[in-house]
Amino acid sequence: EVQLVESGGGLVQPGGSLRLSCAASGFTFSDHYMDWVRQAPGKGLEWVGRTRNKANSYTTEYAASVKGRFTISRDDSKNSLYLQMNSLKTEDTAVYYCARVSIMINSDAFDIWGQGTMVTVSS
Amino acid sequence: SYELTQPPSVSVSPGQTARITCSGDALPKQYAYWYQQKPGQAPVLVIYKDSERPSGIPERFSGSSSGTTVTLTISGVQAEDEADYYCQSADSSGTYKVFGGGTKLTVL
Repeated sequence: EVQLVESGGGLVQPGGSLRLSCAASGFTFSDHYMDWVRQAPGKGLEWVGRTRNKANSYTTEYAASVKGRFTISRDDSKNSLYLQMNSLKTEDTAVYYCARVSIMINSDAFDIWGQGTMVTVSS
Repeated sequence: SYELTQPPSVSVSPGQTARITCSGDALPKQYAYWYQQKPGQAPVLVIYKDSERPSGIPERFSGSSSGTTVTLTISGVQAEDEADYYCQSADSSGTYKVFGGGTKLTVL
């Protein structure tokens, strides 16, 4: 079964750090770009960032709202995706989803999503 | 920053056709994708590359594109289609991804 499972969420104080993980199974993880998407309570979806695959040098992109504070990485040997979040702000409170980018040519579809992990930034 | 605009809500009776629009200046250049999200669940892809339907998605879901607007059409709406729907695309460079604000579909 194709699956993504996030972990690592929790309560953190403003200015603190947290590292989220996403464990992939059921597909060739190393072939895919992988993204993080978040959703604040009662709000819409917000793209956080992307890591490309080895063939594309593992390059990353970030939304302006998190650039310089968040870092996306991956370990293909462990089929895992990570999101290191530093200098957290209250507005970073959200459910964080990892999402697989479709391998179809010219397609940026997020075809598989994890169940999400909740991050709460509060004092 | 680039934005995609959706109506906040759409309401239809069972069996009718629901149309949800999404507008953005870069849509003539960039594909659009549509996701369905039910309460407490992760989003599910229902349309990709403007009008393609993934396997397992009912035929009543279709997508179309015209200029700076893309449209998700649900024909013969069923009660189970009640959900939030999000369009997604990218800015003109293709680098930065963006979601619309979401449309709550209510089945009366």
